[in-house]
Amino acid sequence: GQNIDQPTEMTATEGAIVQINCTYQTSGFNGLFWYQQHAGEAPTFLSYNVLDGLEEKGRFSSFLSRSKGYSYLLLKELQMKDSASYLCAVRAGGGNKLTFGTGTQLKVEL
Amino acid sequence: DTGVSQNPRHKITKRGQNVTFRCDPISEHNRLYWYRQTLGQGPEFLTYFQNEAQLEKSRLLSDRFSAERPKGSFSTLEIQRTEQGDSAMYLCASSLGRGPEAFFGQGTRLTVV
Repeated sequence: GQNIDQPTEMTATEGAIVQINCTYQTSGFNGLFWYQQHAGEAPTFLSYNVLDGLEEKGRFSSFLSRSKGYSYLLLKELQMKDSASYLCAVRAGGGNKLTFGTGTQLKVEL
Repeated sequence: DTGVSQNPRHKITKRGQNVTFRCDPISEHNRLYWYRQTLGQGPEFLTYFQNEAQLEKSRLLSDRFSAERPKGSFSTLEIQRTEQGDSAMYLCASSLGRGPEAFFGQGTRLTVV
């Protein structure tokens, strides 16, 4: 099976930087995904890492270390609209299903 | 293109009744997934189609659950003899090939009373 851990809640200040960590245990790793989900809405794709290193996309960056089973999502210049749940998900083996963590509820304050 | 469409958005049913949900994926997407999400949890995989073929099914999917994608376009998820534990948000997602980005629909929120 797969085990994915991420913090339940985080709070940060508008304009600041926040890092959301995700650790996973799986066999046949084949990609790590980050999704954003606002309350009552569908998850929306943020980033994908399959090789070690940093992927940058505007204010959002995602890092992966396969040997450590570790990823983080970095959000810069936080805005109030970034308040949402951030879901870490892993794809393993030859299949296509994603196994999600429980999500990290981020609250951005003034 | 309006994205992944699911209906109904909300469904309240009595325990023991059957319910059916529909998902219309993005038109050129050949892969379609069903997930279930309960409050405070991440989505849990239920099943996956490539075109009309159901290629993977979670052990979470009891024999009361069945999904179809008859022409490789829209999909239906049916739950027979609903139980209170079936209350959840049912999410559909689609993707093109094995690309990393899956697009989710708004979900159908099921409440079993």
